[in-house]
Amino acid sequence: AQTVTQSQPEMSVQEAETVTLSCTYDTSENNYYLFWYKQPPSRQMILVIRQEAYKQQNATENRFSVNFQKAAKSFSLKISDSQLGDTAMYFCASLTLYGNKLVFGAGTILRVKS
Amino acid sequence: EAGVAQSPRYKIIEKRQSVAFWCNPISGHATLYWYQQILGQGPKLLIQFQNNGVVDDSQLPKDRFSAERLKGVDSTLKIQPAKLEDSAVYLCASSPLGQGIGNTIYFGEGSWLTVV
Repeated sequence: AQTVTQSQPEMSVQEAETVTLSCTYDTSENNYYLFWYKQPPSRQMILVIRQEAYKQQNATENRFSVNFQKAAKSFSLKISDSQLGDTAMYFCASLTLYGNKLVFGAGTILRVKS
Repeated sequence: EAGVAQSPRYKIIEKRQSVAFWCNPISGHATLYWYQQILGQGPKLLIQFQNNGVVDDSQLPKDRFSAERLKGVDSTLKIQPAKLEDSAVYLCASSPLGQGIGNTIYFGEGSWLTVV
């Protein structure tokens, strides 16, 4: 079975500081992708960052980076220089190449304070 | 490039009534997904199509929910009769055929359903 766990229901961070959101997953597949999606109140799912499981190098996208620990099945998101616009719900998700099934975690609400 | 289109954006119905949501995926995308997202939870996959065939509908409550994707393009999700617990956002998403390197799943803006 494919599962994704986010153990932090809510997080807060001061503007300009760094915050890390945690995610663990479980899959029996060898080939898969991991994602972080941002969901503002409008409910539009916005892709933040993507990691291919076969790549050892951690993905980065501007202020967003991940710490991918394949053996531990851990996939955390680090947001540097947090901005007020980063306030949203963040979802970790896994996608298996066989079946193309995208499974989400329960989400973490991130609040950036000024 | 146009994104995933969904309609209606908002719908309020009484319990036991019926409702239908429509989704038009990105042009050329063979895979289409319907997710249900209850407030405060992560999205749950209801059904996944590859072209006009169903790949996974294991979490679709088939006694009241139905979905179709005629001609392998746009799709309709129907709920009949609706229950209070069906209040949620229904997200449609699409991705290119042959999921693999570089492919991403794209989401629409969602259809908000309130059952009263």
